[in-house]
Parts: sequence; C-alpha cells; structure tokens
Amino acid sequence: NAGVTQTPKFQVLKTGQSMTLQCAQDMNHEYMSWYRQDPGMGLRLIHYSVGAGITDQGEVPNGYNVSRSTTEDFPLRLLSAAPSQTSVYFCASSYSREGYTFGSGTRLTVV
Amino acid sequence: QQQVKQSPQSLIVQKGGISIINCAYENTAFDYFPWYQQFPGKGPALLIAIRPDVSEKKEGRFTISFNKSAKQFSLHIMDSQPGDSATYFCAASSRGYNFNKFYFGSGTKLNVKP
Repeated sequence: NAGVTQTPKFQVLKTGQSMTLQCAQDMNHEYMSWYRQDPGMGLRLIHYSVGAGITDQGEVPNGYNVSRSTTEDFPLRLLSAAPSQTSVYFCASSYSREGYTFGSGTRLTVV
Repeated sequence: QQQVKQSPQSLIVQKGGISIINCAYENTAFDYFPWYQQFPGKGPALLIAIRPDVSEKKEGRFTISFNKSAKQFSLHIMDSQPGDSATYFCAASSRGYNFNKFYFGSGTKLNVKP
C-alpha cells in the first residue's frame, strides 16, 4: 500500500507556465481533496471530489482546475502560474470525512 | 476571514510539561473537529477528533476539550515529549453537503525542550 502519492516533490515554474500536479491513491477512497499550505495561513482547500466525475470548489479555487476521471487519480492543474501560487500543495484522500490521509506534498515555486 | 482561529502561533514546553493549543470558531454548523500533527517535510496526520455532543475526548496523552457554548476547543498534550515537537493544526467541518470542506487553523509550532 503506497497510500497517497504526489508527484513531483519539487517544481519551479516561470510565471505564465502551466503544469499538472499529480495525486494518486491506492486505498479505493471516494473522497479526495487538494490543499495549499502557506506560512501563517494553515491549510486552505482548493478543490475537492466526492467520487469519480464529481468535483467542487473549496476556499481558494481561482487559478486551478481539477478533474476526477477515476477513483484513484485527482490531478490539479495550474492554468497560468503566478508568484502568488508559490506554496506547498497537499493532496488528501479518505473513505469518510473522519479519516483523511495526506500525501507528502509538492513544493512549488513560481518565479 | 479565517473560519477557525488558532493560538498560540508557537509554543515552547519543557519535557514532561503540558502543552495547550486553543481554537475558536463562529460557524455553528460545524460538527466535526479534528486535530492534525505535521512533522517537517511530511503531510499532516490525523491525531484525534471530537464531535460537539461530548465535552472531552482522550487518547493516550492527547485530550481534546470542547466548549460548545463558547465555540472553543483545545488540544492538551500531557507529559509532553521531544518527539511531540511538530506543528499542530485544528480544523472543522460542517454537516450536510459540505461535510468534506475542512477549514484549518493557522497552526501552532510546538517545541518540547529535553
């Protein structure tokens, strides 16, 4: 069991570039979420999904897209990277709201 | 506007002492309150959680105290150990359609001195 796997672990982007952060889980969890973590801000929800084909916006969705074509994968797309999107991104999955497992994070720097 | 306010931002405790972290919320629809522990370079991990129908929940050295009328809850770490040094986050979510929308506090960095 790998749990929640995030790739890449580190990424540097130039302003305006696009990229996809990958997230995969092998626990057959229905619920998956993306958070960003910034100093002094805690974790803020970007997008979440309650099952394949179903996604919804969190607190800070602007500039990000998601899709959920399979139960296992929940990629996060940055459409046109901005310095304000420099952050650590965490993907999480769960069978219920009471047991979220987080990945180890992707540290993204936008220059 | 942060939905869950957490204090203090940082905390230094001697080994064997009690660490106390506080959180407050306004949204009365919140009905599930977890605490997460995060070590450097790792993702947060669920530590303990409580629902508002009980005032206290204890798991080993970790206790959540919940005051529904004051809309406050706190994490107590008894007999704090250097291995407890980490960042702690409180969180909350509400019942109904948005049950998977978690709101996190800003975090408390705990340093337990040997």
